[in-house]
Amino acid sequence: NAGVMQNPRHLVRRRGQEARLRCSPVKGHSHVYWYRQLPEEGLKFMVYLQKENIIDESGMPKERFSAEFPKEGPSILRIQQVVRGDSAAYFCASSEGFGGPADTQYFGPGTRLTVL
Amino acid sequence: DAKTTQPNSMESNEEEPVHLPCNHSTISGTDYIHWYRQLPSQGPEYVIHGLTSNVNNRMASLAIAEDRKSSTLILHRATLRDAAVYYCILRNTGNQFYFGTGTSLTVIP
Repeated sequence: NAGVMQNPRHLVRRRGQEARLRCSPVKGHSHVYWYRQLPEEGLKFMVYLQKENIIDESGMPKERFSAEFPKEGPSILRIQQVVRGDSAAYFCASSEGFGGPADTQYFGPGTRLTVL
Repeated sequence: DAKTTQPNSMESNEEEPVHLPCNHSTISGTDYIHWYRQLPSQGPEYVIHGLTSNVNNRMASLAIAEDRKSSTLILHRATLRDAAVYYCILRNTGNQFYFGTGTSLTVIP
C-alpha cells in the first residue's frame, strides 16, 4: 500500500517565483490536509480539502497561497511570488474519514521549500 | 481543541521502557487523545489514540488517567529508531490537528 506521496521533496525558488507542491493521498482517501512547519516549531494547519472542494482554509494566508484537489490527480498547494518567510517544510496528510475525533491522518514525507 | 502540555525533552537508555507524559487538564468528555511522532526530516507518524480506556498496539501503549486530565505514552523497549519528537494532541471537532512543540526523545545507546 502506497502511503501519502509528496513531490518534489526539495524545492528551491528565488523571491518572486511561484512554488507548486503536489500531494497524492493514500489510495482511497478523499480528504487532504496541508500543514506548514517552520524550523524548530510544530506543524501548523493550513487547509483541508475534499475532492473539488475547499472545506476549511482558516490557516491559509489570505494572499499568495491557494490549494486545490481536483477530481483527477494530486492535490496542489500553490504559493505565488514567494518570499523568504515562506521557507519551511510543507506536509500533506490524508484521511479516510471527514475529521471526526477518532479520525487518523496519514502524513507524507514533506516538501522542503527554500526561498533564496 | 484543548491544549496539551509536554516536557520539552527526555532521555532514555536503549532497550529500557520510556514513559512520555502529557497533561491536558481542560480536556472535554468527547476529546480523543492522539499521539504522533516525527523522526528527523520526516512527516509525522501516527502512534496511537484513545478516549477513556488504556490502549495497546504494536508500537506503544497509551495509559489514560481515570480523570482523563493526563495520559502517558509508553514505549516498552526504546530503540535508537524511536528517537523522535512525540506530539500529544487532543481531537474533538474540526478538521485539523493542533501540534504543539512536543517532547524530543533522545535514546542513548
